[in-house]
Amino acid sequence: EAQVTQNPRYLITVTGKKLTVTCSQNMNHEYMSWYRQDPGLGLRQIYYSMNVEVTDKGDVPEGYKVSRKEKRNFPLILESPSPNQTSLYFCASSFNAGRAGYTFGSGTRLTVV
Amino acid sequence: AQSVTQLDSHVSVSEGTPVLLRCNYSSSYSPSLFWYVQHPNKGLQLLLKYTSAATLVKGINGFEAEFKKSETSFHLTKPSAHMSDAAEYFCVVSQMNTGFQKLVFGTGTRLLVSP
Repeated sequence: EAQVTQNPRYLITVTGKKLTVTCSQNMNHEYMSWYRQDPGLGLRQIYYSMNVEVTDKGDVPEGYKVSRKEKRNFPLILESPSPNQTSLYFCASSFNAGRAGYTFGSGTRLTVV
Repeated sequence: AQSVTQLDSHVSVSEGTPVLLRCNYSSSYSPSLFWYVQHPNKGLQLLLKYTSAATLVKGINGFEAEFKKSETSFHLTKPSAHMSDAAEYFCVVSQMNTGFQKLVFGTGTRLLVSP
């Protein structure tokens, strides 16, 4: 089944403890992206990648890092999480430069205390 | 830059009555527009997309949307609501950004369906 898989689905962590949220897609898509969803704000792009070793900042990149060493994987790294990063995170992938739409993962709900 | 405005944060309907979720967009060129649905504790699912072909776009689960350039609108409709339609709906415009289509999301409309 074609899908984007995120792990974990839920995570509670403490301020300053490094964490990684994984994202993997099995559709051979070039383009991958991370979004955060906050009430009343919709989804905002954090980082994106157009292909292996090609990444760039989205609209809200502060406090996050990403890497794209393989085409299928695009992990999101929080080096020193803070409470304002408590949010619902989505990974998405697409082909054809996104013209046909995107496939989203099921989301990761992160709470930083 | 492209943007979308979803005019209602919440819409309540009764089962069997029509659904109208409103979306206005701003775009400096011919946009691609999407509607996504998010059911509770689920990811986002593509309902339908407009990419400069027919202005009336049919999607899944009986939803459709009409692109109206003169009104810069892309409202989502369904003739008869079902309880399973209760979810959050996002209107999305895509903008070209260094070789790919970046998605710009609206703030969402929560659809409530009562029996």
